[in-house]
Amino acid sequence: QLVESGGGLVQPGGSLRLSCAASGLIVSNYWMCWVRQAPGKGLEWVANINRDGSEEYYVDSAKGRFTISKDNAKNSLYLQMNSLRADDTALYYCVRGHFGLEVWGQGTTVTVSS
Amino acid sequence: EVVMTQSPATLSVSPGERVTLSCRASQSVSSNLAWYQQKPGQAPRLLIYDASTRATGIPGRFSGSGSGTEFTLTISSLQSEDFALYYCHQYNTWPRTFGQGTTVEIK
Repeated sequence: QLVESGGGLVQPGGSLRLSCAASGLIVSNYWMCWVRQAPGKGLEWVANINRDGSEEYYVDSAKGRFTISKDNAKNSLYLQMNSLRADDTALYYCVRGHFGLEVWGQGTTVTVSS
Repeated sequence: EVVMTQSPATLSVSPGERVTLSCRASQSVSSNLAWYQQKPGQAPRLLIYDASTRATGIPGRFSGSGSGTEFTLTISSLQSEDFALYYCHQYNTWPRTFGQGTTVEIK
């Protein structure tokens, strides 16, 4: 099970840190990623991190602003989001998987608005 | 980036009918393609990966085929619980990309 938290309302230019607590799976054993869905829109992959956290990949719009990370001791995944923009407004899903995305959380909502 | 194009955008179908959804990639993604089902208010669910392998617990009425740039998801006999939004997703190259989705609605 994956449970996201940390979403909320933030002003443009602000920061948020999303967290994803895993249970029943060990985060360090898997590639993990974040996928987002803007209101009424489709799915957009945001970032991936490999098993040991040594490789990170980002969608172009997130490069330089977002950082994906893991804390194996806490069995958790994170997404640090800086310089937030209105088009970052979305439901953010924490997902286990590298190829097929096998396990999804229920998401945490990020709203960027003044 | 690889652009994934799904067709049609909406499919109106009666229960029991056979349904075929299409997904086209702007360049070859080999067999590195997955399909997901999403119902309102729910997270997506993995149906198919590696173009044709059913994920754990997915009923046999769901099947996937294709390779390269052309892919299909077939539902052999549509059940009431299958009315939903379906996405394809390529994981052959970075950035990972999704199609825009096909809605399967009741006719």
